[in-house]
Amino acid sequence: AIQMTQSPSSLSASVGDTVTISCRASQGIRNDLGWYQQKPGKAPKLLIFAASTLHSGVPSRFTGSGSDTDFTLTISGLQPEDFATYYCLQDYDYPFTFGQGTKLEIK
Amino acid sequence: EVQLVETGGGLVKPGGSLRLSCAAVGLTFRGARLNWVRQAPGKGLEWVSSISHSSSHIYYIDSVKGRFTISRDNAQNSVYLQMNSLRAEDTGVYYCTRDGSFGMDVWGQGTTVSVSS
Repeated sequence: AIQMTQSPSSLSASVGDTVTISCRASQGIRNDLGWYQQKPGKAPKLLIFAASTLHSGVPSRFTGSGSDTDFTLTISGLQPEDFATYYCLQDYDYPFTFGQGTKLEIK
Repeated sequence: EVQLVETGGGLVKPGGSLRLSCAAVGLTFRGARLNWVRQAPGKGLEWVSSISHSSSHIYYIDSVKGRFTISRDNAQNSVYLQMNSLRAEDTGVYYCTRDGSFGMDVWGQGTTVSVSS
């Protein structure tokens, strides 16, 4: 199975900051990677698919980049509603695998 | 409103069975892969199973192979997860998701499965 190593596991930041979350795949996955946001008690939401394509309705402050094994999610100008847990997911090969998650907290 | 609605969760003893259902409201499953994703209490997300539009391609995570069965009814816009021989480690919230090759773009609200004696 492809392992997705996500870092950091937690992150403290302030409103207006720019933060970056990384995901590294244990083997090449082309650009078959998505980023998801989850708030407590809620279902995850798709932010980005195909590594860098913004899902409909997602603010442009979210950007994704990378290919093959290394990927990043950048949130520019953090808003209060962005404090949540973020996951990457590879859907290149079965079993699909998620990163361990990054909890973004308010400093 | 576009949504997926899961039902069928509950409390079951180890070794028991449950059947989860997921129905689409305001959207179609046509052409889409469907998935089940679960989340143990306080833990991260874990993909469980996928089924292609025609049901010709079905996949499971190793830990549920031989115990869980995914199926779908395109006419009813529904997907199911039959879970047998349940274990404590199967406890969690189960989400169904639609995946149209552009990421898992629609998620249900989740249904909770608790396996305990």
